[in-house]
Amino acid sequence: DGGITQSPKYLFRKEGQNVTLSCEQNLNHDAMYWYRQDPGQGLRLIYYSQIVNDFQKGDIAEGYSVSREKKESFPLTVTSAQKNPTAFYLCASSMRTETQYFGPGTRLLVL
Amino acid sequence: AQSVTQLGSHVSVSEGALVLLRCNYSSSVPPYLFWYVQYPNQGLQLLLKYTSAATLVKGINGFEAEFKKSETSFHLTKPSAHMSDAAEYFCAVSGISGNNNDMRFGAGTRLTVKP
Repeated sequence: DGGITQSPKYLFRKEGQNVTLSCEQNLNHDAMYWYRQDPGQGLRLIYYSQIVNDFQKGDIAEGYSVSREKKESFPLTVTSAQKNPTAFYLCASSMRTETQYFGPGTRLLVL
Repeated sequence: AQSVTQLGSHVSVSEGALVLLRCNYSSSVPPYLFWYVQYPNQGLQLLLKYTSAATLVKGINGFEAEFKKSETSFHLTKPSAHMSDAAEYFCAVSGISGNNNDMRFGAGTRLTVKP
């Protein structure tokens, strides 16, 4: 089946720890995105990538990092610099058209 | 500047009643407009999209939306609500900055369906 997978479904972070969220797609989409979702605030763009080995900061990139070494994969690292990481993280992808398709999400919680 | 405004963070309807979820956008160029639905602890699922073809767009699960340029609106409707429609709904717009990959989301409307 074609689609977007995110893992893990739940992730726990200890203070001072970096954690990495996985996002994989087999839709042959060029562009991939990471969003953060907080209650009552909709989705906010963290990073996006339009091609391999290139990515741009979104509105709330501070405390996060990404890589795009393969077309299918766009992992997001939440660094210790992100002081309020508790949120639901959504990965999406799109072709050169405008429609974005979303993965099932990863919920990050702080211990 | 706010690109997408969803009026009403919570909407409650009775089963079988009309569903109307409101969305207004701000853009000086013709945008692409979308409605997504999100069930608890899941990702967003595309309901429908407007891409400058017909102004009345039909989507999945019996939903439709009408693009009204004069009102800068893209309200989502469904004639008869079903219990399974209870979810959060997001309106989104792209193309405002000239980049079709730049998608902006409204804050969401939580729909409750009463039996």
